[in-house]
Amino acid sequence: SQQGEEDPQALSIQEGENATMNCSYKTSINNLQWYRQNSGRGLVHLILIRSNEREKHSGRLRVTLDTSKKSSSLLITASRAADTASYFCATVRLGGSTLGRLYFGRGTQLTVWP
Amino acid sequence: GAGVSQSPSNKVTEKGKDVELRCDPISGHTALYWYRQSLGQGLEFLIYFQGNSAPDKSGLPSDRFSAERTGGSVSTLTIQRTQQEDSAVYLCASSYRAETQYFGPGTRLLVL
Repeated sequence: SQQGEEDPQALSIQEGENATMNCSYKTSINNLQWYRQNSGRGLVHLILIRSNEREKHSGRLRVTLDTSKKSSSLLITASRAADTASYFCATVRLGGSTLGRLYFGRGTQLTVWP
Repeated sequence: GAGVSQSPSNKVTEKGKDVELRCDPISGHTALYWYRQSLGQGLEFLIYFQGNSAPDKSGLPSDRFSAERTGGSVSTLTIQRTQQEDSAVYLCASSYRAETQYFGPGTRLLVL
């Protein structure tokens, strides 16, 4: 079953604008990860944030995590047309025999217009 | 080094036929995962191998689905008596310490 829910389902912006995507999840987690997918094929790992971290940066990406609200956000600054893709959050649940298994949301389709 | 590779890239089969999908993980990665993604859907976990431990098969949707991992490396996902609802992209991923997962390009399966 799905763990995360991304919001919005689709986002359309102009180049240079910032894009913010949100993710909510249901159970306690070990970490939360964001992935990018182009054209329905392989996923590319973007960033991982652990449950004891609140914010993390990587280049133009900024991820926040609020474990009290069970939510995360991904901010892409100064977006480019090449950022057009689907973005998924995925969680690794705390404990249990499924350590390492990722629970994915349905994703946000980001379109950046030149 | 080389990433995760999957074969075939695309597979078209007739309902009722068996199919085998192959995954070559990154060398040295101890964990291997199979997911599937149906049209417009998120990724659904299928099965997880970690080292020499018994695999976690809890995501397999029916007994028509099975997977094995030989020698702790290559994995094969087998779907017997395929159904139209099996049509999806099947994604394989591997990881070293069960954290960041590296995905292959996927196999797009179409069951007619």
